Amino acid sequence: AQSVAQPEDQVNVAEGNPLTVKCTYSVSGNPYLFWYVQYPNRGLQFLLKYITGDNLVKGSYGFEAEFNKSQTSFHLKKPSALVSDSALYFCAVRDYFGGGFKTIFGAGTRLFVKA
Amino acid sequence: DAGVTQSPTHLIKTRGQQVTLRCSPISGHKSVSWYQQVLGQGPQFIFQYYEKEERGRGNFPDRFSARQFPNYSSELNVNALLLGDSALYLCASSLGWGSDGGELFFGEGSRLTVL
Repeated sequence: AQSVAQPEDQVNVAEGNPLTVKCTYSVSGNPYLFWYVQYPNRGLQFLLKYITGDNLVKGSYGFEAEFNKSQTSFHLKKPSALVSDSALYFCAVRDYFGGGFKTIFGAGTRLFVKA
Repeated sequence: DAGVTQSPTHLIKTRGQQVTLRCSPISGHKSVSWYQQVLGQGPQFIFQYYEKEERGRGNFPDRFSARQFPNYSSELNVNALLLGDSALYLCASSLGWGSDGGELFFGEGSRLTVL
């Protein structure tokens, strides 16, 4: 079965510094990987995805993610953090289960950016 | 264009009652999925519907049921509510059924509290 793991419950970073939110995956075959962000009391918003091609994927709000097949990782990055980036971030993988697709989410990493 | 809309946004029920949650997908989207997000966890897959047919079901009891209407809107029903059903219920729509690797578009959720 497909799965993703987010090893950090919380990441703290100062505004203006680079940030990394870690994700590792376990899949059979080629993975469809995603990052979503959730602000307080809101639904999830799509940030970016990796399907195939370039290992560096660029997404919304200046975020990017690097797909690393040898390390089975898909870390989310941003060169310069903003206070407004503070939110809950979910790594996810698309899984085919016989007739349909479901998205499996990690437990989430809370990003706190300090001014 | 309107995004994914869900109703009601908040509701309180007592144990044993039944609840119906509603979702309208983005115009043109034919797939609706339902997720349960318990506080502090990532969303868990409940159902996927595509073209009015159930395409998959997650590991939830038969008390959970859903359907999709000809206009692609959807309802999630939960019978015989338990305290553990308290959660944020998220509806997500997508253009296809998932094989294209398309991302999910989430509504803001229906927060259910069971007393």
